[in-house]
Parts: sequence; structure tokens; C-alpha cells
Amino acid sequence: ETGVTQSPTHLIKTRGQQVTLRCSSQSGHNTVSWYQQALGQGPQFIFQYYREEENGRGNFPPRFSGLQFPNYSSELNVNALELDDSALYLCASSLPSALSPTFGSGTRLTVV
Amino acid sequence: ELKVEQNPLFLSMQEGKNYTIYCNYSTTSDRLYWYRQDPGKSLESLFVLLSNGAVKQEGRLMASLDTKARLSTLHITAAVHDLSATYFCAVERDNDMRFGAGTRLTVKP
Repeated sequence: ETGVTQSPTHLIKTRGQQVTLRCSSQSGHNTVSWYQQALGQGPQFIFQYYREEENGRGNFPPRFSGLQFPNYSSELNVNALELDDSALYLCASSLPSALSPTFGSGTRLTVV
Repeated sequence: ELKVEQNPLFLSMQEGKNYTIYCNYSTTSDRLYWYRQDPGKSLESLFVLLSNGAVKQEGRLMASLDTKARLSTLHITAAVHDLSATYFCAVERDNDMRFGAGTRLTVKP
């Protein structure tokens, strides 16, 4: 139990569909980042939110979007799913004073 | 562009042996992290290194940072089977965290 909860744990979607992944962080964790981890690779930074505003973005197209809510939860939305979007999606959140973010257990998305 | 390279990518060790995993990065950074990931699991934070010459140790693992060489090492002492996992280094700069490809460590009896 890391204190960062992601849902769902597994998900299968069809190419072209849209998906919303959710992350619930501990109180006070006002920074949240999302990562995509393809099988056998390291996580890739998608974007970061701080106090409900996007605070940094990696090399992902606009069809990857996010939201952060006042209750420290957040969402990752992916439109027009492609087969290559199949991966483990991780969120990580942290307190302002934290040295290191805490990662959730991830959502494994399969696009068929 | 911030790039992170780890080597080796695969490491098979016998119990009791020592080995080092290397992490090179391409530009200046704010922080360097080492994480452990077990199959199908999330990332577990091992170390955070902030400054040149930083050294941290936890059990059989020791991490160091040389910011001038843009190099971090993760040294494994007297490996045991429980250390089998994938180890990632990650470098953070301007709210962007870049991970290496990971080192898949297998410790054999």
C-alpha cells in the first residue's frame, strides 16, 4: 500500500476509443505526474500537474491530456487510442517538501 | 535534451558476488533517483541523490553521484536472491523526470 491508488488496475480498449485513468493521492500531495511504461522499457514522462495546472510535459501528442482536482485526485485521458498506447500507466505524487514522489501501482492498458 | 543511459541492461549474478550498475546522463540535473521494480509491480524508491559526491547506503545497496562526470552508480554488495528485480535510475530537471531503460538483475544461488 503506497498511499497512491490507481484505477482501474487493468483495462482493455479498442483502437480509436477514448480512455480515462484515475489516480487518488494522499492529502497534501499537490504535485502529480503521469508516466507511460511500455513492456520492457523505462517509464516515460507524460506530464506533471501542480495545484491543478499543467507544470511540465514530455514528448506526447495532445490526445494525451490530464486534470488534477482539489481533492488531490487526477485523471489521464487518452483520445483516439492506438495499438502503441498499450502500456502500464503510472501516476506519482508528492508533498511540496518531499524528496521523492510516491508511485501508484499502475493501470495496465491494452489496446486491441 | 535530457537523456539517461544505464548499463548493463541485463545482469545475472551469483549470490555473494559484488557488482555495479552505471547510469550516465546528458545534461545538468536537479536530482537523481534510483528505483526498484518487481515484475508487475510499481516503482519503489531506493535513493535520492542531490549533490556532487553524494553517497547513500541501504543494506547491500550503495548509490553515488558524480555530477561533473554526469554519472551515478548503484553498487551491490554480496548479492542475495531477494535483490532480483529491475533497477532504474531517473534524472529530474525542470519538473521533467527521465528514466533509464532499466537493469534487469537476476541473482542465482
